[in-house]
Amino acid sequence: QKEVEQNSGPLSVPEGAIASLNCTYSDRGSQSFFWYRQYSGKSPELIMFIYSNGDKEDGRFTAQLNKASQYVSLLIRDSQPSDSATYLCAGNDMRFGAGTRLTVKP
Amino acid sequence: EAQVTQNPRYLITVTGKKLTVTCSQNMNHEYMSWYRQDPGLGLRQIYYSMNVEVTDKGDVPEGYKVSRKEKRNFPLILESPSPNQTSLYFCASSSGTSGGSNEQFFGPGTRLTVL
Repeated sequence: QKEVEQNSGPLSVPEGAIASLNCTYSDRGSQSFFWYRQYSGKSPELIMFIYSNGDKEDGRFTAQLNKASQYVSLLIRDSQPSDSATYLCAGNDMRFGAGTRLTVKP
Repeated sequence: EAQVTQNPRYLITVTGKKLTVTCSQNMNHEYMSWYRQDPGLGLRQIYYSMNVEVTDKGDVPEGYKVSRKEKRNFPLILESPSPNQTSLYFCASSSGTSGGSNEQFFGPGTRLTVL
């Protein structure tokens, strides 16, 4: 079965630090990956997607994809308390990892 | 406003009493899906639909039914709910699944409790 796995955390970082969220996948045919953010009690919302090997940057967020290692990550620079949420990764087959809960402490 | 709507948002019911959770999107999306979210398990796909009259099982379809008679609507049916179906349910839609930026738009969620 195709799977997406995340380190479930929780992850706690101080304000201003870099938060690193990781995801591995088992389907070598997966082409695209999506990072969603979910605040407590709310629905998931897309932060970034990536489909090429390497890095993709959008503001404070950088997604990294390594197809050889079947690994995708999300880096959040200059973390803010408002970044505290659960982060979910998904492949283009719409299957999600379990999510990593991030807390950014002021 | 582009959105996915779900109703009801909250539901408490009893074992065996049939219920339907409605889902509607106004973005003319072909792809729609249902997920359930349980603590520590993330989002698990129940059913999905690639287009009208085309539905398929996800990872946890047991105890659920769906239908897709119109493009905009994708109701989730629990014929005989059981307590293990107590969960938070999300409906989602997207323009497609063939890679690229096929962002899924999620509804606000339906919190279901089966006693």
